[in-house]
This record gives sequence, C-alpha cells and structure tokens, in this order.
Amino acid sequence: GENVEQHPSTLSVQEGDSAVIKCTYSDSASNYFPWYKQELGKRPQLIIDIRSNVGEKKDQRIAVTLNKTAKHFSLHITETQPEDSAVYFCAARYDMRFGAGTRLTVKP
Amino acid sequence: NAGVTQTPKFQVLKTGQSMTLQCAQDMNHNSMYWYRQDPGMGLRLIYYSASEGTTDKGEVPNGYNVSRLNKREFSLRLESAAPSQTSVYFCASSESPSVNEQFFGPGTRLTVL
Repeated sequence: GENVEQHPSTLSVQEGDSAVIKCTYSDSASNYFPWYKQELGKRPQLIIDIRSNVGEKKDQRIAVTLNKTAKHFSLHITETQPEDSAVYFCAARYDMRFGAGTRLTVKP
Repeated sequence: NAGVTQTPKFQVLKTGQSMTLQCAQDMNHNSMYWYRQDPGMGLRLIYYSASEGTTDKGEVPNGYNVSRLNKREFSLRLESAAPSQTSVYFCASSESPSVNEQFFGPGTRLTVL
C-alpha cells in the first residue's frame, strides 16, 4: 500500500509567522492529496486539497504545493493565528491512508 | 443533513466481550471507511468499503470485522475485545474511494479493560 511520510511531527511558531508541513508518498498512481485539520477532541475536517494536474492551490492563508516528480506535497499556512493550533494530517489518496500527523502550536 | 453519524459515543468493555459500532451517512456516498486513532497518534485504516457490496482490509484489520449493510450503513464488529483495541474509532464516507473529500463522523471512544 501507499507509504505516506509526514514531517515534522511537532511544530511550534509565533503568531503571525508561517508554518510549513511536508509529506512524501511512494505510489505514482496517487492523484489526490488532501489536508485535514483535527482540533482537540474533534473529528478531522478537510481544509484544502489538490489534484495531480495542479501544482499549487491557495485558499486565503492556506496553500498546498505539489511536486509529482519528487513525490512530495506541502501545506503552507501564513500569518498563523492561535486558532490554527491543531493536528494536521496529509494523505495520498490512492488507498485512503494518512500521514502520522503534525501537531502545530501557535503561540500568542 | 446529519452527515456521518456514529453510535455509541462512548463504550467500556471487558476483555473478551463483543460489540458492534454503527455508522450511517445520509450523503448518498458510495465509499465508507473505519479508522482507529490511538492517543497522540494518526489515523489508521481498519477496513473500507469502496462501494455497496464490497469490503477490503486496511492497515490494521486483525480483530475486526465489517458489514456494509446497505449504501447508508457500515458497521464494525469486535468479536473478542482486547485492551490493545482501546482507541477512538472514526467512521468516514466519500463519493468515491480515491479522489474525493472524506467526511468523518464524531467518533466512538472505546475503552477495553
């Protein structure tokens, strides 16, 4: 099955700074790359996704970039706010497996 | 629309007991999934059903069975619960297996003593 590696496992930034989380995958057949946010005690929810025919997608302060040649994709959060604090999961959607997650803490 | 619903929300079992976790979705999705999430850990796929009438093993299927009862419902059964199965269980659904957003239920917190 697909092997999805996610880094870093924890990330702490000051409010207003940018945060970047990176995922690598192994299966060339993967063609859909979502990012989910999970707040403490809640269910994961999709925040942004990208398909393999697109290199970058942006939604306000959140962006995702995809490099299919290198088999990696990244989540970028700019102007971070305390409410961005959560665990973020990536996935390479060939067989529904997730990365191990990144715990982001935004310090006021 | 309720989205994805799960019952029960909480459950405590003794080792060796059995139980079934229920999941239903009202979005007319074809695909449904069961994940477990251990404390401080990621989501691990237990079983999935790409479409009504099919089920497949995920990363951690041992000790579990599933039934896709109809298009709406996908249940997860623990035949003989073990302490290692203490976890939060999430059900999810999507239009198709690989290229669509997954919608998650609220989760079931299971403790096996």
